[in-house]
Amino acid sequence: DQQVKQNSPSLSVQEGRISILNCDYTNSMFDYFLWYKKYPAEGPTFLISISSIKDKNEDGRFTVFLNKSAKHLSLHIVPSQPGDSAVYFCAASETSGGSNYKLTFGKGTLLTVNP
Amino acid sequence: KAGVTQTPRYLIKTRGQQVTLSCSPISGHRSVSWYQQTPGQGLQFLFEYFSETQRNKGNFPGRFSGRQFSNSRSEMNVSTLELGDSALYLCASSSPSLGQGAKNIQYFGAGTRLSVL
Repeated sequence: DQQVKQNSPSLSVQEGRISILNCDYTNSMFDYFLWYKKYPAEGPTFLISISSIKDKNEDGRFTVFLNKSAKHLSLHIVPSQPGDSAVYFCAASETSGGSNYKLTFGKGTLLTVNP
Repeated sequence: KAGVTQTPRYLIKTRGQQVTLSCSPISGHRSVSWYQQTPGQGLQFLFEYFSETQRNKGNFPGRFSGRQFSNSRSEMNVSTLELGDSALYLCASSSPSLGQGAKNIQYFGAGTRLSVL
């Protein structure tokens, strides 16, 4: 039972354009969400997070949107740069249940930004 | 601050052997979590330690175990290795807060690539 789903295994965009990565979840107890970026042979690097009490969080070129009713979140990267090419993971956790130490990950989306 | 350090970076073992992986968390972080990454299953939670206590365990067999020391460093052990244990093992540390809306940002090491032959 996959509780966090990233339905697009890959995404290709042109440099300078917007990249939109999507993530859906099924567990209504999830209330904290994170995006990580991963290069080959490296561990995931934290990018940005959002709590369920918000619907948007921005950090520079990265913005995460959360739609709780649809159980959907998205990561927008504007403008996209070739260095953004990596695998992006969506992750979720339950903070209210005291199990906020466990992250449930999607399977990732490979983003390729073409010069 | 130094990041999460995992050793060794690469390991080759044969079926039936056992292996121990090490993780040094970010200074001040008391929570250490372990994850297994495989091409088929993605990143899956193994277990988490806080103050030398295992608080929860993922859906893995008892061959997978771990421990945490008083300085928050952690080790995980896999006994009787199987071919399917070949994976990237990732350690993450955090300084979690509690309550609704609390942040839990986990910071990952580079991982240990285990190959079982």
